[in-house]
Amino acid sequence: AQSVTQLDSHVSVSEGTPVLLRCNYSSSYSPSLFWYVQHPNKGLQLLLKYTSAATLVKGINGFEAEFKKSETSFHLTKPSAHMSDAAEYFCVVSTPAAGNKLTFGGGTRVLVKP
Amino acid sequence: GAVVSQHPSRVICKSGTSVKIECRSLDFQATTMFWYRQFPKQSLMLMATSNEGSKATYEQGVEKDKFLINHASLTLSTLTVTSAHPEDSSFYICSVGAFFGQGTRLTVV
Repeated sequence: AQSVTQLDSHVSVSEGTPVLLRCNYSSSYSPSLFWYVQHPNKGLQLLLKYTSAATLVKGINGFEAEFKKSETSFHLTKPSAHMSDAAEYFCVVSTPAAGNKLTFGGGTRVLVKP
Repeated sequence: GAVVSQHPSRVICKSGTSVKIECRSLDFQATTMFWYRQFPKQSLMLMATSNEGSKATYEQGVEKDKFLINHASLTLSTLTVTSAHPEDSSFYICSVGAFFGQGTRLTVV
């Protein structure tokens, strides 16, 4: 079985300050992990993914995430938040044992204050 | 990555009618596509796995006669919401692997 827990349902940051979105996963096998962003009434855009290569993954729009097996975590960070980063973010896990189905975390809504 | 196109982006229908949503893989031949449903301010829930040339695999609790899935080619899967009711109003999204369509906002009145 696989599951994902996003530890914060809401995160509020000031523009120009760092963003940290926390994600912990559970998986019986080596997982693939993803972060997606969703703006209102839009589909999901892939920010980055981890698939057993480098543990520090760089994505689009200045985001990066670090895979820590010992902590079963895959936290998403960005050094400096922009107003356009205000959106919903989803951490997702996938394993071949689960038919490569994507299992979603509950989501974290990011608010960026000017 | 795969480019996924979903149509329509928004649809309003009357209660009791059926609505078809299309999901196309524009640059990748997909033997498997996935359909999700998203309620307001909630995460995505997998509804079913669409398999090219065979029956879809539905998740527990999803009515297969209500949500008909057809995957007749390697680039097209369709989801038909039959005899729609207001409680079927939701955001429906398809995916090919890790890449998602734009989503369809269905409102049943």
